[in-house]
Amino acid sequence: NFMLTQPHSVSESPGKTVTISCTGSSGSIASNYVQWYQQRPGSAPTTVIYEDNQRPSGVPDRFSGSIDSSSNSASLTISGLKTEDEADYYCQSYHNSNPVFGGGTKLTVL
Amino acid sequence: QVQLVESGGGLVKPGGSLRLSCVASGFTFSDYYMTWIRQAPGKGLEWVSYISSLSSSTNYADSVKGRFTISRDNAKNSLYLQMNSLRVEDTAVYYCVRVSKYNWNFGYWGQGTLVTVSS
Repeated sequence: NFMLTQPHSVSESPGKTVTISCTGSSGSIASNYVQWYQQRPGSAPTTVIYEDNQRPSGVPDRFSGSIDSSSNSASLTISGLKTEDEADYYCQSYHNSNPVFGGGTKLTVL
Repeated sequence: QVQLVESGGGLVKPGGSLRLSCVASGFTFSDYYMTWIRQAPGKGLEWVSYISSLSSSTNYADSVKGRFTISRDNAKNSLYLQMNSLRVEDTAVYYCVRVSKYNWNFGYWGQGTLVTVSS
């Protein structure tokens, strides 16, 4: 079964830049779009990146996404970290007719 | 604006059944694939099932295949999830989610309904 693997947690200071990785277990992660979702405690997830690197309206340009085929990974980069960015982040793609989520990464901004 | 409102969650014993509903508004419901996604307490997101816009295609996660049935009524702008033979591990918040079939982006989520399976 296809899996997406994320680090369990990352932490960084306000104003800094953090990158969260999402590695595909097989095949090419570039074959299907990758989305990234932000989930704050007690709330439903919201999209911060869709189609690998596109930002929905209202998402600040501090958020960016990329694909690295050489490592079969997608990445979410957040620059100029703010305390409000503290949340869980999930990558998601699609494989053999099934949507697949990564396990989620808890971002702590301290 | 897009709104998705789930209902039907609650406490049920192992082996029991429950039917979740989701009422959609703010968009042309019959134009979109719809999905159910769940999140166990303190855990990550798990896709459960999806249904195509005209109900011609459905798919299920292996963990629920044969026990859950997704359906929709486009005339009522409603999505359903019939859950049978419930297990303790089905305990989760269940989200009704609109999905784009072009990029599989889960763009709009309901607030979720909690299903607790316990004796």
